[in-house]
Amino acid sequence: QQQVKQSPQSLIVQKGGISIINCAYENTAFDYFPWYQQFPGKGPALLIAIRPDVSEKKEGRFTISFNKSAKQFSLHIMDSQPGDSATYFCAASTGSRLTFGEGTQLTVNP
Amino acid sequence: NAGVTQTPKFRVLKTGQSMTLLCAQDMNHEYMYWYRQDPGMGLRLIHYSVGEGTTAKGEVPDGYNVSRLKKQNFLLGLESAAPSQTSVYFCASSRGQSVEQYFGPGTRLTVT
Repeated sequence: QQQVKQSPQSLIVQKGGISIINCAYENTAFDYFPWYQQFPGKGPALLIAIRPDVSEKKEGRFTISFNKSAKQFSLHIMDSQPGDSATYFCAASTGSRLTFGEGTQLTVNP
Repeated sequence: NAGVTQTPKFRVLKTGQSMTLLCAQDMNHEYMYWYRQDPGMGLRLIHYSVGEGTTAKGEVPDGYNVSRLKKQNFLLGLESAAPSQTSVYFCASSRGQSVEQYFGPGTRLTVT
């Protein structure tokens, strides 16, 4: 049973567009919500993370929006670039353990 | 500074065979993790370690064993491989209880 559900499974956007990936969770004990980015043949790498007492966090073109009451959070990639093409995973942590979503394969067409 | 390295990169096993995957990190991290990645299922935690000599079960521990004899190394063992263990295995490490985990490049394992 997936405790963190992610959608969509795949996403195609045009260069310069906005990419939006959504996640929902059940366990209210989760205390931190990171997003990881994975390029083909590589391990995932931390992209950005947010605490549940913050509604939004922005780092460059990447923004996390967090809705605690709905138990949902999302990643927005502004001005998407072909170099952003990768698989994105949301996650939720309890202590040192991360629970990952299913992943979203993003393709940004030039 | 190599970060997190994994050995081997690829391996094919027959059902019932055993093998050990080696993970090494040179960042002096206390915490280390083993995940498996399967299509449509994200990454699932197999076992983890919060320090030398300590290990704990994750989400999908059955069929796997681990050992952390040295701080920099974390071994994942399959005693009797099954086709259901065909997957990509990732090792990760972190400085204490942190959401920033550093991942290795992965080991692609096929069990026939």
